Amino acid sequence: DGGITQSPKYLFRKEGQNVTLSCEQNLNHDAMYWYRQDPGQGLRLIYYSQIVNDFQKGDIAEGYSVSREKKESFPLTVTSAQKNPTAFYLCASSMALGNYEQYFGPGTRLTVT
Amino acid sequence: DAKTTQPPSMDCAEGRAANLPCNHSTISGNEYVYWYRQIHSQGPQYIIHGLKNNETNEMASLIITEDRKSSTLILPHATLRDTAVYYCIVRVASLIQGAQKLVFGQGTRLTINP
Repeated sequence: DGGITQSPKYLFRKEGQNVTLSCEQNLNHDAMYWYRQDPGQGLRLIYYSQIVNDFQKGDIAEGYSVSREKKESFPLTVTSAQKNPTAFYLCASSMALGNYEQYFGPGTRLTVT
Repeated sequence: DAKTTQPPSMDCAEGRAANLPCNHSTISGNEYVYWYRQIHSQGPQYIIHGLKNNETNEMASLIITEDRKSSTLILPHATLRDTAVYYCIVRVASLIQGAQKLVFGQGTRLTINP
């Protein structure tokens, strides 16, 4: 089955700890994205990547970091500098940047206490 | 900014066609209309998109008015699994103008009743 996987589904961390969220896709897509969704809200773009070893900040990149060492993988690290890290994190991919439909993973719900 | 207006909620009987409206009166010539849906606690799912012609795929049909100021997503035979929040998005094709991101508004919460 082709698709995007995110793990884990639920993640709990103590304040002050960094945490890395996994995102893997086997769709052979060049572009990948990380969004954050808060209750009752829409999506906000954190980071995106057009190609391996390249990534760009989205609208709310502060307190987050990413890497794109492989085409299939785009992990997101939520650092202790992120002031409100508790949220639903969604990874997506598309054939390329631009006017292409984005396919989403199932999401990771992060709770920081 | 989402730049679209959708009713906050709708109901539809199972087996009937669900028609979800969307107003995008300020749409410009290089903006596409996209529809996604999100079932509770899951990632959004792409449904369909179009520029000015009507489109149909295995999931739905998209009807765009001639002036492109509004559109309707049609689920021809709604099932209980179609219960979700449906988002109508207008999206530029240019990366310079932000085509790399999706901007969701509040969407329409569609409930399919047995």
